[in-house]
Amino acid sequence: AQTVTQSQPEMSVQEAETVTLSCTYDTSESNYYLFWYKQPPSRQMILVIRQEAYKQQNATENRFSVNFQKAAKSFSLKISDSQLGDTAMYFCGMGAQKLVFGQGTRLTINP
Amino acid sequence: GAVVSQHPSRVICKSGTSVKIECRSLDFQATTMFWYRQFPKQSLMLMATSNEGSKATYEQGVEKDKFLINHASLTLSTLTVTSAHPEDSSFYICSAIPTREARYNEQFFGPGTRLTVL
Repeated sequence: AQTVTQSQPEMSVQEAETVTLSCTYDTSESNYYLFWYKQPPSRQMILVIRQEAYKQQNATENRFSVNFQKAAKSFSLKISDSQLGDTAMYFCGMGAQKLVFGQGTRLTINP
Repeated sequence: GAVVSQHPSRVICKSGTSVKIECRSLDFQATTMFWYRQFPKQSLMLMATSNEGSKATYEQGVEKDKFLINHASLTLSTLTVTSAHPEDSSFYICSAIPTREARYNEQFFGPGTRLTVL
C-alpha cells in the first residue's frame, strides 16, 4: 500500500520569509509522480509543483522548489519570499496514476 | 486550459433521497476521472476511479451500490449518492487526467460539491 505522511499539521511564517513543508512517502512502485497541491479557502485544488520520480533533478517553479530524496522517500516543498496569497492548505500527493495524499499542512503567512 | 467543472456546487437534500453530482472536463477529453471525498479539515480520500466506457474501480471500504459512478462520455462523469443519509454529508471533489496530454499524469481538479443531508 502507498502512504504519504506530512508531519507538520500547521506552520506559520512572516511574509517574505522562506518556509519548508515536509513530506515522506512509501511505495513499492518503481515509476511514479509526486505533486504538491495547495487548497485555499475556496477549496479549489491548485497544482504547485510536480516531480517525476525517475528524474534526479529537483523541480522548481518560480518561488517554489522541491528537495526530492528518492532513497529516503522524501519530497519537501520550499517556498521562498513567501506571500500572503500563499496562505492555504498544502497537500503532498504521490502515485503512478491515482494519487494518495498526505494529511495536509495548514500554512499561514503573516503580514 | 484544462478546466474541470462540477455541478451543483452545493446541494441540500432530505435523508433517503438520491443526489447526482456532475463532473465535466470543459476543454479536454478525459478517459480517466477520479472522485474524492473530503471531510472538514481533513485530506482528500480517493473513492473511485472512473473509466470512460467501463465500470468504475472503487477503493476499499467504498460501497459501490451507495456511490454510483457513470462515465458515459470522454467529458462527463457522474456520481450518484443513493439513499443519502446525514453521514454522507461531505465535500466531494472530482479530478480528470487529459487523455491526449497525460504527461506526469497530472490531475486537474473540479471546484467541489458540498453535500448536506438533513
